[in-house]
Amino acid sequence: GQSLEQPSEVTAVEGAIVQINCTYQTSGFYGLSWYQQHDGGAPTFLSYNALDGLEETGRFSSFLSRSDSYGYLLLQELQMKDSASYFCAVRSLSDAGNNRKLIWGLGTSLAVNP
Amino acid sequence: DAGVIQSPRHEVTEMGQEVTLRCKPISGHDYLFWYRQTMMRGLELLIYFNNNVPIDDSGMPEDRFSAKMPNASFSTLKIQPSEPRDSAVYFCASSQGTGNTEAFFGQGTRLTVV
Repeated sequence: GQSLEQPSEVTAVEGAIVQINCTYQTSGFYGLSWYQQHDGGAPTFLSYNALDGLEETGRFSSFLSRSDSYGYLLLQELQMKDSASYFCAVRSLSDAGNNRKLIWGLGTSLAVNP
Repeated sequence: DAGVIQSPRHEVTEMGQEVTLRCKPISGHDYLFWYRQTMMRGLELLIYFNNNVPIDDSGMPEDRFSAKMPNASFSTLKIQPSEPRDSAVYFCASSQGTGNTEAFFGQGTRLTVV
């Protein structure tokens, strides 16, 4: 089957840097996305990596290594408002192999403490 | 644009009743997705449409679930009859293409079946 693994919980303090890892095992790979979801809210898009390397967007960066089936989301200068769940998702082939779909991790709950 | 609009935001129903969830995607988006989110299983893709046509419904749990997209601006997800295990948050999302592209989520419908 297809699966993504990410830590279930991470705790950090304001101003710190935190890295959330994601490893995947999928039948195809077209890209790795990261989404943020606050409690009671909807997932919102953060980043997308189709090629190896680091993509930076403000305080958030995302990294991909296709040879290692691995990526991470790096959050710098943490703020209280960054407390949320973070999901990695891989664009892969459906189980039938006839179309593309997003396969989601179970999410990492990030708690930022003062 | 107002974003993806879902209704109702909350639904409480008795086991055995029919439930209909509604979604209005972002204008111009040609893909529409229905997801279910629970603590145990995370985000699960139920079905997605391209240009109003269902492409992959392999995530629909069983025959009690059905989805339609009669036009580009409206979709429904129906559960008949509903069961307590259907209790979850149901998200609708839309996107333009399936390339990288960012999926925009509605605020979700929190369904409770008692």
